Amino acid sequence: DQQVKQNSPSLSVQEGRISILNCDYTNSMFDYFLWYKKYPAEGPTFLISISSIKDKNEDGRFTVFLNKSAKHLSLHIVPSQPGDSAVYFCAATHGGGFKTIFGAGTRLFVKA
Amino acid sequence: NAGVTQTPKFRVLKTGQSMTLLCAQDMNHEYMYWYRQDPGMGLRLIHYSVGEGTTAKGEVPDGYNVSRLKKQNFLLGLESAAPSQTSVYFCASSPNLGQHQNTEAFFGQGTRLTVV
Repeated sequence: DQQVKQNSPSLSVQEGRISILNCDYTNSMFDYFLWYKKYPAEGPTFLISISSIKDKNEDGRFTVFLNKSAKHLSLHIVPSQPGDSAVYFCAATHGGGFKTIFGAGTRLFVKA
Repeated sequence: NAGVTQTPKFRVLKTGQSMTLLCAQDMNHEYMYWYRQDPGMGLRLIHYSVGEGTTAKGEVPDGYNVSRLKKQNFLLGLESAAPSQTSVYFCASSPNLGQHQNTEAFFGQGTRLTVV
């Protein structure tokens, strides 16, 4: 039973365009959501997060949107750059808990 | 600042062999975690620790043991390796910001383990 789902294994985008990565969750107890970025042969690194009391959080080129009623969040990257090519993991947790649940990841290819 | 360091980076084991993966963090974080990453599965929590001398089971603890004798180190042991434990293992740590305070985790570079 996957509580956090990233249904798109991969996404290809042209440099300069917008990348939209999607994530769905099933557990209504989740109150904090994170996106991590992972390059090959490296560990995941934190990218951006959002609390369930917000519906949007922005950090430079990265914006995360949360739709609690739909149990859906998305990561927008504008404009996309070749260096953004990586695997992006969506993650969720609740109550400051330790059991962060990760999605399967989406591999983003940004073409120059 | 090294952050989270995992040793070794690669290892090949024969079925039935044992080994220990070492994780060290220099950020004085209270919490430490061990994850495994498998294709199509994301990262799954094996065990975690909320402080020196304490450990707890995660989503997929079977076949693994852990110890946190020192705050900066978190060891993952495989007593009798099986091919199903072929995976990439990630250690992570995070600070304790107080009850119900969320924060991100800092990951090591991973250990690629193959069990033949």
